Amino acid sequence: NAGVTQTPKFQVLKTGQSMTLQCAQDMNHNSMYWYRQDPGMGLRLIYYSASEGTTDKGEVPNGYNVSRLNKREFSLRLESAAPSQTSVYFCASRLDRGGNQPQHFGDGTRLSIL
Amino acid sequence: QKEVEQNSGPLSVPEGAIASLNCTYSDRGSQSFFWYRQYSGKSPELIMSIYSNGDKEDGRFTAQLNKASQYVSLLIRDSQPSDSATYLCAVNLRKRGSNDYKLSFGAGTTVTVRA
Repeated sequence: NAGVTQTPKFQVLKTGQSMTLQCAQDMNHNSMYWYRQDPGMGLRLIYYSASEGTTDKGEVPNGYNVSRLNKREFSLRLESAAPSQTSVYFCASRLDRGGNQPQHFGDGTRLSIL
Repeated sequence: QKEVEQNSGPLSVPEGAIASLNCTYSDRGSQSFFWYRQYSGKSPELIMSIYSNGDKEDGRFTAQLNKASQYVSLLIRDSQPSDSATYLCAVNLRKRGSNDYKLSFGAGTTVTVRA
């Protein structure tokens, strides 16, 4: 009963390096989301995928790209990491794009950019 | 105006007391509302959903919704030290010109229950 699985759990990068955060869900959900959480700022949406084959920007998309690989997997890529991207990243999913569905979160990836 | 605002914490309550958390939202068309609990270093965990005006009770938790006032609250009765966490209010907002909904989160209220 894994739910939403994120890898890695921790990562340290140097400025300018690239990396991909992985997310997979086993709940047969259609919609998936990437958030970042910074102290005092709550959860901010980076990108989302309302359904397989679609992606769209959230409120803070700059510096990130995403890929909805299939229904289960949604990855987040940092092409050239910057210290401002130091944060905790959460992936979430929900059954569909409809308004009454809650989201379910993975355990998060703690990312530090030096 | 922020889409979702929560009363700033931290909130400290003695064990056994009632903790009261408040949340206001800006979009009058919002239809679904959620409370998440987040322990330090952990991910948000859904604890309550509410869709209709009035109260919804689940164990020691009661969510209250007033759409006319654009206000949703969470009461924690008989607070326990294990309730010490940050509570996030989340409101489903319809993205303009789209059938997509996004969850907009408040910044959270940190609750500490003193033994």
